[in-house]
Amino acid sequence: DVKVTQSSRYLVKRTGEKVFLECVQDMDHENMFWYRQDPGLGLRLIYFSYDVKMKEKGDIPEGYSVSREKKERFSLILESASTNQTSMYLCASSLQGIGTEAFFGQGTRLTVV
Amino acid sequence: KNQVEQSPQSLIILEGKNCTLQCNYTVSPFSNLRWYKQDTGRGPVSLTIMTFSENTKSNGRYTATLDADTKQSSLHITASQLSDSASYICVVSNQGDYKLSFGAGTTVTVRA
Repeated sequence: DVKVTQSSRYLVKRTGEKVFLECVQDMDHENMFWYRQDPGLGLRLIYFSYDVKMKEKGDIPEGYSVSREKKERFSLILESASTNQTSMYLCASSLQGIGTEAFFGQGTRLTVV
Repeated sequence: KNQVEQSPQSLIILEGKNCTLQCNYTVSPFSNLRWYKQDTGRGPVSLTIMTFSENTKSNGRYTATLDADTKQSSLHITASQLSDSASYICVVSNQGDYKLSFGAGTTVTVRA
């Protein structure tokens, strides 16, 4: 069974802290994505990666960075968390190619206080 | 700019009744359209995929339609069950781009 696992379901962090969100997939997918989901706005792409050590900015990369040292793992880093980064974060992976099905993790609800 | 608009934003239906959700998009050139179901506190899960040449596709009690000329899609839920309570998200991909365009979703609440 296909699986994308995010390291935490819920996180509470303080303003200014460095935050790491981890995502692991077991499907040998080339593509991995990080989205944030806010009410009324839908999912917005933060970063994606199409290969190990490769990354591209999405629509809202400001305040975030990513790391992909291994094919199965894609990390999202908030260098200095701010309250406007309070959100649901979703990781996804998909096979190489255009329009292939994206498989999502269960999400991490991050609250920055 | 590629956009996906969904309507209604939310709806409440009685168990056993049918409902239809709408999705309009401006994504071009079009590759495919998927409907995802997202249960509360979970990640989205794909229900159906529609390509340019397909008009209708069913997955159990879910039936999706696509009109590529008018750039509209619908998702019809037949004989709704309590477990259908979820957010339904329309996702469109375009050719030559890894990025997906997401609608804001329609929240469906099924009441007994």
